[in-house]
Amino acid sequence: AQRVTQPEKLLSVFKGAPVELKCNYSYSGSPELFWYVQYSRQRLQLLLRHISRESIKGFTADLNKGETSFHLKKPFAQEEDSAMYYCALSLTGTASKLTFGTGTRLQVTL
Amino acid sequence: DSGVTQTPKHLITATGQRVTLRCSPRSGDLSVYWYQQSLDQGLQFLIQYYNGEERAKGNILERFSAQQFPDLHSELNLSSLELGDSALYFCASSPGQGGFAGELFFGEGSRLTVL
Repeated sequence: AQRVTQPEKLLSVFKGAPVELKCNYSYSGSPELFWYVQYSRQRLQLLLRHISRESIKGFTADLNKGETSFHLKKPFAQEEDSAMYYCALSLTGTASKLTFGTGTRLQVTL
Repeated sequence: DSGVTQTPKHLITATGQRVTLRCSPRSGDLSVYWYQQSLDQGLQFLIQYYNGEERAKGNILERFSAQQFPDLHSELNLSSLELGDSALYFCASSPGQGGFAGELFFGEGSRLTVL
């Protein structure tokens, strides 16, 4: 079965420092990978998906099939980036469900 | 607000009881998903419906059941409740039915506390 692992429960960085939120997955096929974010008092929402290859709010994520990773990166953290981040995986050709990791709380401090 | 709405937001009940959580998807979305988030756990997929039919099933207990009605709203029924069922239950919706899940639109969740 597919699995998503986010090894860090909490990541604390200073404002302006680089951010890397780790995500590893286990699946032998070609999954679709996503990052979802939940800001304080807001709903869980899509941040970005690997197939779009876009940068959202300065965040990027590259799918590395060799390392089965999809780490989320941002060169300079901002206070407003503080939130809960979830990595998620979806499979092609199956009923469309997302498998989520346990999430990483990003805390950006001054 | 045409987003996903869930009721109730908070629910406190006793062990052995039965509760029903309700979800209205975004206007036009045909798929509804239910997820459970317990303390220190990620979102665990429970079940998906598309246009009234069950499409995918996850780790949903036999004590739990769900359905999607003709107006596309969905209900998650939890019975013979146990302390371990205390969790945040999320509903999400999407326009599609299969292939990639694509973007899911989440509700605010229903927080269930079993005492």
